[in-house]
Amino acid sequence: DAKTTQPTSMDCAEGRAANLPCNHSTISGNEYVYWYRQIHSQGPQYIIHGLKNNETNEMASLIITEDRKSSTLILPHATLRDTAVYYCIVRVDDYKLSFGAGTTVTVRA
Amino acid sequence: NAGVTQTPKFQVLKTGQSMTLQCAQDMNHEYMSWYRQDPGMGLRLIHYSVGAGITDQGEVPNGYNVSRSTTEDFPLRLLSAAPSQTSVYFCASSSPGTSGGRGTGELFFGEGSRLTVL
Repeated sequence: DAKTTQPTSMDCAEGRAANLPCNHSTISGNEYVYWYRQIHSQGPQYIIHGLKNNETNEMASLIITEDRKSSTLILPHATLRDTAVYYCIVRVDDYKLSFGAGTTVTVRA
Repeated sequence: NAGVTQTPKFQVLKTGQSMTLQCAQDMNHEYMSWYRQDPGMGLRLIHYSVGAGITDQGEVPNGYNVSRSTTEDFPLRLLSAAPSQTSVYFCASSSPGTSGGRGTGELFFGEGSRLTVL
Protein backbone atom coordinates (compact mmCIF):
# COMPACT_ATOMS: atom_id res chain seq x y z
CA ASP A 1 0.00 0.00 0.00
CA ALA A 2 1.20 3.50 -0.77
CA LYS A 3 2.30 5.52 2.21
CA THR A 4 1.07 9.02 2.83
CA THR A 5 2.72 12.10 4.26
CA GLN A 6 0.70 14.76 6.02
CA PRO A 7 1.68 17.75 8.13
CA THR A 8 1.49 17.03 11.82
CA SER A 9 -0.74 19.98 12.59
CA MET A 10 -2.28 23.11 11.14
CA ASP A 11 -4.44 25.97 12.28
CA CYS A 12 -7.14 27.75 10.34
CA ALA A 13 -9.54 30.58 10.99
CA GLU A 14 -13.23 29.99 11.46
CA GLY A 15 -15.16 30.78 8.30
CA ARG A 16 -12.14 30.45 6.05
CA ALA A 17 -11.30 27.55 3.75
CA ALA A 18 -9.02 24.90 5.20
CA ASN A 19 -6.67 23.22 2.72
CA LEU A 20 -5.19 19.97 3.96
CA PRO A 21 -2.34 18.55 1.87
CA CYS A 22 -1.34 14.93 1.49
CA ASN A 23 1.56 13.42 -0.42
CA HIS A 24 1.29 9.88 -1.78
CA SER A 25 4.08 9.70 -4.35
CA THR A 26 4.11 5.87 -4.50
CA ILE A 27 0.40 5.48 -5.20
CA SER A 28 -0.44 2.82 -7.77
CA GLY A 29 -3.04 3.04 -10.50
CA ASN A 30 -5.81 1.19 -8.72
CA GLU A 31 -5.43 2.80 -5.29
CA TYR A 32 -8.02 5.24 -4.08
CA VAL A 33 -7.42 8.27 -1.89
CA TYR A 34 -9.65 8.41 1.20
CA TRP A 35 -10.10 11.08 3.82
CA TYR A 36 -11.48 10.46 7.29
CA ARG A 37 -11.54 12.59 10.39
CA GLN A 38 -11.68 11.79 14.07
CA ILE A 39 -13.21 14.28 16.44
CA HIS A 40 -11.82 13.95 19.97
CA SER A 41 -11.96 10.25 20.85
CA GLN A 42 -14.93 9.29 18.71
CA GLY A 43 -14.80 6.72 15.90
CA PRO A 44 -13.42 8.08 12.61
CA GLN A 45 -15.89 9.66 10.23
CA TYR A 46 -15.74 9.24 6.46
CA ILE A 47 -15.35 12.49 4.52
CA ILE A 48 -14.67 11.74 0.88
CA HIS A 49 -12.72 9.52 -1.50
CA GLY A 50 -11.56 9.56 -5.12
CA LEU A 51 -9.45 7.83 -7.73
CA LYS A 52 -8.45 10.34 -10.40
CA ASN A 53 -11.08 13.02 -10.70
CA ASN A 54 -11.76 15.78 -8.25
CA GLU A 55 -14.69 15.01 -5.98
CA THR A 56 -17.09 17.17 -3.99
CA ASN A 57 -19.76 16.36 -1.47
CA GLU A 58 -21.63 18.23 1.22
CA MET A 59 -18.66 18.09 3.59
CA ALA A 60 -15.62 18.80 1.48
CA SER A 61 -13.83 18.79 -1.86
CA LEU A 62 -10.98 16.52 -2.87
CA ILE A 63 -8.45 17.74 -5.40
CA ILE A 64 -6.11 15.08 -6.82
CA THR A 65 -3.17 16.15 -8.95
CA GLU A 66 -2.95 14.84 -12.48
CA ASP A 67 -0.01 12.55 -11.63
CA ARG A 68 -1.95 11.42 -8.51
CA LYS A 69 1.10 11.87 -6.31
CA SER A 70 -0.62 14.33 -4.02
CA SER A 71 -4.05 15.54 -3.05
CA THR A 72 -5.72 18.31 -1.08
CA LEU A 73 -8.80 18.13 1.07
CA ILE A 74 -10.69 21.41 1.16
CA LEU A 75 -13.13 22.31 3.89
CA PRO A 76 -14.81 25.32 2.28
CA HIS A 77 -15.94 27.17 5.41
CA ALA A 78 -14.27 25.79 8.50
CA THR A 79 -16.20 25.87 11.75
CA LEU A 80 -15.10 25.14 15.30
CA ARG A 81 -16.76 21.73 14.95
CA ASP A 82 -14.25 20.86 12.22
CA THR A 83 -11.46 20.73 14.80
CA ALA A 84 -10.27 17.12 14.51
CA VAL A 85 -7.52 14.79 13.33
CA TYR A 86 -7.73 14.31 9.57
CA TYR A 87 -6.41 11.13 7.98
CA CYS A 88 -5.37 10.73 4.35
CA ILE A 89 -5.26 7.08 3.29
CA VAL A 90 -4.54 5.35 0.00
CA ARG A 91 -5.79 1.81 -0.49
CA VAL A 92 -7.34 -0.51 -3.00
CA ASP A 93 -9.86 -2.11 -0.67
CA ASP A 94 -11.82 0.32 1.43
CA TYR A 95 -12.80 -2.25 4.01
CA LYS A 96 -9.27 -2.47 5.38
CA LEU A 97 -7.68 0.89 5.72
CA SER A 98 -4.44 1.85 7.45
CA PHE A 99 -4.55 5.09 9.40
CA GLY A 100 -1.35 7.01 10.01
CA ALA A 101 -0.94 9.80 12.56
CA GLY A 102 -2.94 12.27 10.46
CA THR A 103 -3.06 16.06 10.65
CA THR A 104 -4.41 17.71 13.77
CA VAL A 105 -6.50 20.63 12.55
CA THR A 106 -7.46 23.35 14.99
CA VAL A 107 -10.06 25.85 13.88
CA ARG A 108 -9.77 29.12 15.78
CA ALA A 109 -12.47 31.70 16.27
CA ASN B 1 -30.90 2.14 12.54
CA ALA B 2 -28.45 1.96 15.40
CA GLY B 3 -25.47 1.66 13.04
CA VAL B 4 -22.44 -0.04 14.62
CA THR B 5 -22.84 -0.91 18.28
CA GLN B 6 -19.90 -1.87 20.48
CA THR B 7 -20.05 -3.29 23.99
CA PRO B 8 -18.71 -2.79 26.56
CA LYS B 9 -17.67 0.88 26.30
CA PHE B 10 -15.20 0.51 29.16
CA GLN B 11 -13.46 -2.53 30.61
CA VAL B 12 -10.64 -3.16 33.05
CA LEU B 13 -8.91 -6.54 33.00
CA LYS B 14 -6.10 -8.16 34.89
CA THR B 15 -3.19 -9.67 33.00
CA GLY B 16 -4.08 -13.15 31.81
CA GLN B 17 -7.83 -12.71 31.84
CA SER B 18 -9.86 -13.29 28.73
CA MET B 19 -12.76 -11.33 27.37
CA THR B 20 -14.80 -10.64 24.25
CA LEU B 21 -15.54 -7.26 22.75
CA GLN B 22 -18.86 -7.33 20.99
CA CYS B 23 -19.66 -5.58 17.71
CA ALA B 24 -23.01 -5.59 15.96
CA GLN B 25 -24.26 -3.71 12.90
CA ASP B 26 -27.80 -3.42 11.58
CA MET B 27 -27.00 -2.10 8.11
CA ASN B 28 -26.61 -5.52 6.45
CA HIS B 29 -22.99 -4.71 5.66
CA GLU B 30 -20.84 -7.54 4.34
CA TYR B 31 -17.53 -6.12 5.50
CA MET B 32 -16.55 -5.72 9.15
CA SER B 33 -13.24 -4.95 10.80
CA TRP B 34 -11.56 -4.30 14.13
CA TYR B 35 -8.99 -1.58 14.79
CA ARG B 36 -7.04 -0.54 17.83
CA GLN B 37 -5.86 2.97 18.61
CA ASP B 38 -3.08 3.65 21.08
CA PRO B 39 -2.64 7.13 22.58
CA GLY B 40 -1.51 9.74 20.06
CA MET B 41 -1.50 7.27 17.19
CA GLY B 42 -3.67 6.35 14.27
CA LEU B 43 -5.79 3.23 14.01
CA ARG B 44 -4.22 -0.13 13.25
CA LEU B 45 -6.15 -3.00 11.68
CA ILE B 46 -6.41 -6.14 13.81
CA HIS B 47 -8.73 -8.47 11.89
CA TYR B 48 -11.32 -8.10 9.19
CA SER B 49 -14.11 -10.07 7.54
CA VAL B 50 -15.58 -9.86 4.05
CA GLY B 51 -18.61 -11.98 4.90
CA ALA B 52 -20.06 -14.56 7.24
CA GLY B 53 -17.59 -17.38 7.76
CA ILE B 54 -14.66 -15.45 6.25
CA THR B 55 -12.03 -13.69 8.35
CA ASP B 56 -8.46 -12.58 7.80
CA GLN B 57 -5.61 -10.94 9.69
CA GLY B 58 -4.71 -7.29 9.59
CA GLU B 59 -1.53 -5.51 10.72
CA VAL B 60 -1.58 -6.48 14.40
CA PRO B 61 -3.49 -9.76 14.85
CA ASN B 62 -1.38 -11.40 17.57
CA GLY B 63 -3.27 -11.99 20.81
CA TYR B 64 -6.70 -11.62 19.21
CA ASN B 65 -9.21 -14.03 17.69
CA VAL B 66 -12.30 -13.31 15.64
CA SER B 67 -15.18 -15.22 14.11
CA ARG B 68 -18.06 -14.21 11.86
CA SER B 69 -20.97 -16.59 12.19
CA THR B 70 -23.59 -14.03 11.16
CA THR B 71 -23.60 -10.94 8.96
CA GLU B 72 -24.52 -8.75 11.91
CA ASP B 73 -21.94 -9.74 14.53
CA PHE B 74 -18.15 -9.69 14.62
CA PRO B 75 -16.80 -10.34 18.13
CA LEU B 76 -13.14 -9.79 19.06
CA ARG B 77 -11.67 -12.15 21.64
CA LEU B 78 -8.66 -11.51 23.82
CA LEU B 79 -7.48 -14.93 24.96
CA SER B 80 -4.96 -13.87 27.60
CA ALA B 81 -4.91 -10.12 28.13
CA ALA B 82 -1.57 -8.31 28.38
CA PRO B 83 -0.83 -4.69 29.38
CA SER B 84 0.27 -4.06 25.77
CA GLN B 85 -3.34 -4.58 24.74
CA THR B 86 -4.46 -1.52 26.68
CA SER B 87 -6.03 0.56 23.94
CA VAL B 88 -9.23 1.88 22.42
CA TYR B 89 -10.84 -0.63 20.10
CA PHE B 90 -13.03 0.38 17.17
CA CYS B 91 -15.26 -1.82 15.09
CA ALA B 92 -16.24 -0.76 11.58
CA SER B 93 -18.50 -2.00 8.81
CA SER B 94 -19.06 -1.21 5.15
CA SER B 95 -20.70 -2.60 2.06
CA PRO B 96 -19.35 -3.35 -1.40
CA GLY B 97 -20.05 -0.79 -4.06
CA THR B 98 -21.45 -1.33 -7.51
CA SER B 99 -18.60 0.31 -9.38
CA GLY B 100 -15.14 1.64 -8.89
CA GLY B 101 -13.41 0.27 -5.82
CA ARG B 102 -14.48 -2.88 -4.08
CA GLY B 103 -16.43 -0.90 -1.51
CA THR B 104 -18.47 2.27 -1.21
CA GLY B 105 -15.51 3.99 0.42
CA GLU B 106 -17.37 4.70 3.61
CA LEU B 107 -16.58 2.76 6.76
CA PHE B 108 -19.05 3.21 9.59
CA PHE B 109 -17.37 3.10 12.99
CA GLY B 110 -18.68 2.29 16.43
CA GLU B 111 -18.07 4.58 19.41
CA GLY B 112 -15.15 2.52 20.65
CA SER B 113 -14.40 0.22 23.58
CA ARG B 114 -11.79 1.46 26.03
CA LEU B 115 -9.81 -1.42 27.49
CA THR B 116 -7.27 -1.22 30.30
CA VAL B 117 -5.18 -4.25 31.21
CA LEU B 118 -3.47 -4.06 34.60
